[in-house]
Amino acid sequence: EVQLVESGGGLVQPGRSLRLSCAASGFTFDDYTMHWVRQAPGKGLEWVSGISWNSGSIGYADSVKGRFTISRDNAKNSLYLQMNSLRAEDTALYYCAKTGLSFNYARNWFDPWGQGTLVTVSS
Amino acid sequence: QSALTQPRSVSGSPGQSVTISCTGTSSDVGGYNYVSWYQQHPGKAPKLMIYDVSKRPSGVPDRFSGSKSGNTASLTISGLQAEDEADYYCCSYAGTYTFGFGTGTKVTVL
Repeated sequence: EVQLVESGGGLVQPGRSLRLSCAASGFTFDDYTMHWVRQAPGKGLEWVSGISWNSGSIGYADSVKGRFTISRDNAKNSLYLQMNSLRAEDTALYYCAKTGLSFNYARNWFDPWGQGTLVTVSS
Repeated sequence: QSALTQPRSVSGSPGQSVTISCTGTSSDVGGYNYVSWYQQHPGKAPKLMIYDVSKRPSGVPDRFSGSKSGNTASLTISGLQAEDEADYYCCSYAGTYTFGFGTGTKVTVL
């Protein structure tokens, strides 16, 4: 069974940094592109960032480009999101998601999703 | 990167059909057959319902179907059931390693 467990969320002041982690199990992690998707309280889903199986292809939403960095450690079956210069509008539940098709970036979908880790940016 | 446009809400009685539209541009929905749909119940993680515009994952009831015409994708729920009441989001690849989600639609079963 595929399991994705996010961690690292919490309360942080504006301008500070936070690093999220996603521990993956139940599948061959280094065959799949992985993504971060967030959801602000009471709001819709927003794609944040994606990274290909070999870290050769990476994408960011305009809203986080230059502030967030996605990475992965295939030896540890782990996905990360380094978030710098955090703003109040970054407050959200951050989901880690596996893609459905191996060795693909563009032609893909998110399945399954973790349960999320909550990031609150406030002074 | 603008969000794809969905109606805020749709509703129907049990057994009826409802259709949710997802309007983008030629740079996302219209440019790729990489549209997916997600169902989200309150307090739960999203669940994949449709991928590649019209394909259904195993375990998803066949009353859920997807289609696309030009820059607009659609999700149809036929034979609406009480458990279908949820929020639904479309998603499309948008080029240059980016994706975009729709604004979300709340489906209410009357």
